[in-house]
Amino acid sequence: AQKITQTQPGMFVQEKEAVTLDCTYDTSDQSYGLFWYKQPSSGEMIFLIYQGSYDEQNATEGRYSLNFQKARKSANLVISASQLGDSAMYFCAMDLSGGYNKLIFGAGTRLAVHP
Amino acid sequence: DSGVTQTPKHLITATGQRVTLRCSPRSGDLSVYWYQQSLDQGLQFLIQYYNGEERAKGNILERFSAQQFPDLHSELNLSSLELGDSALYFCASSEGTGLGFGYTFGSGTRLTVV
Repeated sequence: AQKITQTQPGMFVQEKEAVTLDCTYDTSDQSYGLFWYKQPSSGEMIFLIYQGSYDEQNATEGRYSLNFQKARKSANLVISASQLGDSAMYFCAMDLSGGYNKLIFGAGTRLAVHP
Repeated sequence: DSGVTQTPKHLITATGQRVTLRCSPRSGDLSVYWYQQSLDQGLQFLIQYYNGEERAKGNILERFSAQQFPDLHSELNLSSLELGDSALYFCASSEGTGLGFGYTFGSGTRLTVV
């Protein structure tokens, strides 16, 4: 069964430090994509980063990078130089070829950035 | 502004009632998705439309229905509402339906059933 697992319900980090949010996935498909979204307390879903299963290099977007380990089926999000505005819920999600682009989401990790 | 417009932003209604949530996709996007975010179920895919046709269905209750109109806006109809239907309902849109097509989410409609 296709599934996304985020094992960290909550994390905290000091401002300016880096933090890694864990995500593991389960699928037998060879073609899939992995997304990370941020949901601040205001509720909107903000796209952060995308990694395709055939991408050879780890995706990076500014302070966000995705540590993609295909054999381990993990797609951890690394946030460098944390800022107070990074405090939010973070969701890992997967889409599958043939899945018409519907996303399967993990339960999320709540990140708190402390000054 | 993401370009995906959802109305209303907040809705409070009584059990047994019917409501309609509206979504206008980003300009040029043909595909519309509806998701429900609740405390106990998390984020769950409900249904997808592409250029007016239903493409995929998720865990959508029979009391819920949706459609996409010729101008590509979509409506999600929720009827015989129960307390457990209280949730944040998101609409998202994308250009196509292939792997990796970017998603743009609206800001959501927060439904409270009392």
